Amino acid sequence: EDKVVQSPLSLVVHEGDTVTLNCSYEVTNFRSLLWYKQEKKAPTFLFMLTSSGIEKKSGRLSSILDKKELFSILNITATQTGDSAVYLCAVHAGNNRKLIWGLGTSLAVNP
Amino acid sequence: DTEVTQTPKHLVMGMTNKKSLKCEQHMGHRAMYWYKQKAKKPPELMFVYSYEKLSINESVPSRFSPECPNSSLLNLHLHALQPEDSALYLCASSQLGWEGTEAFFGQGTRLTVV
Repeated sequence: EDKVVQSPLSLVVHEGDTVTLNCSYEVTNFRSLLWYKQEKKAPTFLFMLTSSGIEKKSGRLSSILDKKELFSILNITATQTGDSAVYLCAVHAGNNRKLIWGLGTSLAVNP
Repeated sequence: DTEVTQTPKHLVMGMTNKKSLKCEQHMGHRAMYWYKQKAKKPPELMFVYSYEKLSINESVPSRFSPECPNSSLLNLHLHALQPEDSALYLCASSQLGWEGTEAFFGQGTRLTVV
């Protein structure tokens, strides 16, 4: 059965810290991996990764995919209180048109 | 305009009521989605419309009825819901017709069934 596992499930850090969120997957016919940030309501797209070893970067956020070891990491440097959110990882796999979602990592950044 | 707009933001309805959720996007996206999200769970796909045609129905009960009047609008008609249907209902759109691409989500409708 296809699955996506995120770790840790929750994390509390202080402003300025660097955090690394993990997403591992076991799926058939991997196509892409996506990261979303969800604050109160709407998930916001962060990155889509399809190729191994190529880092995607946006400001203080970056992400990389390892297709050999079947995982991705999301790094956030110099965290701010506005980074507090649930970070969701989802994998697009197989011939069906579905995303397999992880349960998310709840990040709290304290001032 | 990179927004997906959902109305209403909150809805309380009785089990015998009929109501509709609305979603609108003006990004020219050809795929639109309805998701249901329970607390501390990821979004759960309900329906996908691609080029205004229903392409995926994830075995959703018939008390949920989607409608896509045109490429910018998506409705979800609700009838005879159960208390366990209370959840956040999210609409999303994407340029391409499947989920594995960047999707833009609306702010959601918080539905409570009493």
